[in-house]
Amino acid sequence: EAGVTQFPSHSVIEKGQTVTLRCDPISGHDNLYWYRRVMGKEIKFLLHFVKESKQDESGMPNNRFLAERTGGTYSTLKVQPAELEDSGVYFCASSQEQGFFSYGYTFGSGTRLTVV
Amino acid sequence: AQSVTQLDSHVSVSEGTPVLLRCNYSSSYSPSLFWYVQHPNKGLQLLLKYTSAATLVKGINGFEAEFKKSETSFHLTKPSAHMSDAAEYFCVVGLNTGFQKLVFGTGTRLLVSP
Repeated sequence: EAGVTQFPSHSVIEKGQTVTLRCDPISGHDNLYWYRRVMGKEIKFLLHFVKESKQDESGMPNNRFLAERTGGTYSTLKVQPAELEDSGVYFCASSQEQGFFSYGYTFGSGTRLTVV
Repeated sequence: AQSVTQLDSHVSVSEGTPVLLRCNYSSSYSPSLFWYVQHPNKGLQLLLKYTSAATLVKGINGFEAEFKKSETSFHLTKPSAHMSDAAEYFCVVGLNTGFQKLVFGTGTRLLVSP
């Protein structure tokens, strides 16, 4: 089975520009998550989709971040306008059922975002 | 609040020697604990998980971890390091809030020398 796919793998943009990250979860996985790791910090939860609905978006840092999952398949995370502190690695993960304690997530390789 | 603390940011070992990566957790409930690994330019891969079954958990690639409630620890070990084990390792706790959220430690980078 194909894994979780993220692209681009790297993105370098200027402060003030817009960037859109995409995540394709494993086919059939209803749960999709976004996490990020900013430089020198731990990986932190951003939000969780169940199908196309936002189950938990408590980790979204501010209103410059917009996540969507139209049709309950792939998801996009848009940063507009990007700031220097948004630089980091953005991870996407998916899981099949609510019981992640038993199954764990499957993570993608991440998108490394650099804002200059 | 649930959290994990990884006690070492870097650990260096020689190939063939044992590996010990330390993790302490804080939780008011019986926690669900995980170890993930990230190799360069790869995604986060689940090594093993503890979900209140056996306290000694065996994972992939010869790694194992022991849940010790009295010490609030979940250290990751491997008897003999391989060069391919060089990576960053994350101790993770799952939040028992009804939502599927993971809380990561700050990571331990394992360096393996020949």
